[in-house]
Formats: sequence, C-alpha cells, structure tokens
Amino acid sequence: GAVVSQHPSRVICKSGTSVKIECRSLDFQATTMFWYRQFPKKSLMLMATSNEGSKATYEQGVEKDKFLINHASLTLSTLTVTSAHPEDSSFYICSAREPAPHSTLPDTQYFGPGTRLTVL
Amino acid sequence: AQSVTQPDIHITVSEGASLELRCNYSYGATPYLFWYVQSPGQGLQLLLKYFSGDTLVQGIKGFEAEFKRSQSSFNLRKPSVHWSDAAEYFCAVLKTSYDKVIFGPGTSLSVIP
Repeated sequence: GAVVSQHPSRVICKSGTSVKIECRSLDFQATTMFWYRQFPKKSLMLMATSNEGSKATYEQGVEKDKFLINHASLTLSTLTVTSAHPEDSSFYICSAREPAPHSTLPDTQYFGPGTRLTVL
Repeated sequence: AQSVTQPDIHITVSEGASLELRCNYSYGATPYLFWYVQSPGQGLQLLLKYFSGDTLVQGIKGFEAEFKRSQSSFNLRKPSVHWSDAAEYFCAVLKTSYDKVIFGPGTSLSVIP
C-alpha cells in the first residue's frame, strides 16, 4: 500500500513552546490529509481535514488557533501545536487520502506512524 | 447518525487458535468498509477494505473479512493467530468518497503463547 511518513516520531518540549509535526505522502499525491489525536487506549479523534491550497476544516471543539495546519504541497501537511501545554500531550497521527484508480471507487486513507508529543 | 460499533473491547486467544473480531455499522446504505491494525506506539496499517462485489475480502497477514448486509456487519477473521497479531484493531466506515472515515472504538487483541 501507499506510504505516509511523519516527523518527528517523538518530541518532548517545554510548556509554552510551539511544536511542528510533518506528514508526507511518499509515493502518491494527496490533495487531502487528515490529522487525528489518540488518547491512551482510545480510538482516533479527527481534529481537522487538511486540503492542499486551502484552509483546513476543523472539527467541532478543536481550537484552530492552537492547532495550525498548513498543506503546502500535494505531499506535505504540517500541524503546529502552538503554546503547547501538558494537556496537549498525546499521540498525533496523520493520514493521507490516496486517489482511487477510478472515479467510481472511493479513495483510501493511509496512515503515518504517529508522533508522540510530551509537554513538560 | 452513522456509527461503528465493535462489541468486544478486549479479546484474548491462544496462539494457533482462530480469531473473529466483530464490527457492526449503522447506516441506511452500504458504506465502504475497512479494517486497520495498530501495534503499540505505531500508526494504523490497512488490513483490508470492502467497496463492492464479493462479500468475502482477503487482506494482508492472512486476514479476511466478510460483509453481511442483512446484519450490517463486517467481521474480521483469521484461521490461526500468531503472537505478532497482538495489537489494536479498528473497524472503519466511509459513507461516500468525500466523507470522513468513522472509526469504531477498537478491539484490543492479546495472544497467549
């Protein structure tokens, strides 16, 4: 299947600093990427949908000024956690939607390996 | 509202035994269906997907899933479990190609040697 990478895999930062996480589709172009947050032993919570060349669409309850998303190219989306606090510590996972080979089929989402953020 | 349920929060099986993980969805029409697996501290890996056609779908790592329209189910199966299959398994549905994927709560699988 298609490959999605994330960088960094793990980051520790001090409270009040900003952290940038990159998500790349390595072997396909993704006009749409997604950012999820996962709490321990929980399912994935969709934070926002990232569209190349336009503003991200945030889910209800997600602070857009805190979680800045930029989809600069067809293979790169970034999530910046601004002024991070301990409650932002979590596992962040991105996914990219690989276009289906035919218009009659849906796209398939492929996931990155995740980024463990720890805010001290 | 569309939802996905995985009735079993946690399952333990012996290595070599068969496995079935349950998934049910609530939606009027047939959605697109997926199973993903997540190893500890890792992202999600796509095991298999169902879009249409044959209701028995083969995936990677020896997994298969069967779509049953009458039961609104998409259960995942494996005839013989390996210790490396211990992970979290997520069922997911997509209503249309332009919708968001909705994930079930997950089933944690433990494998006894």
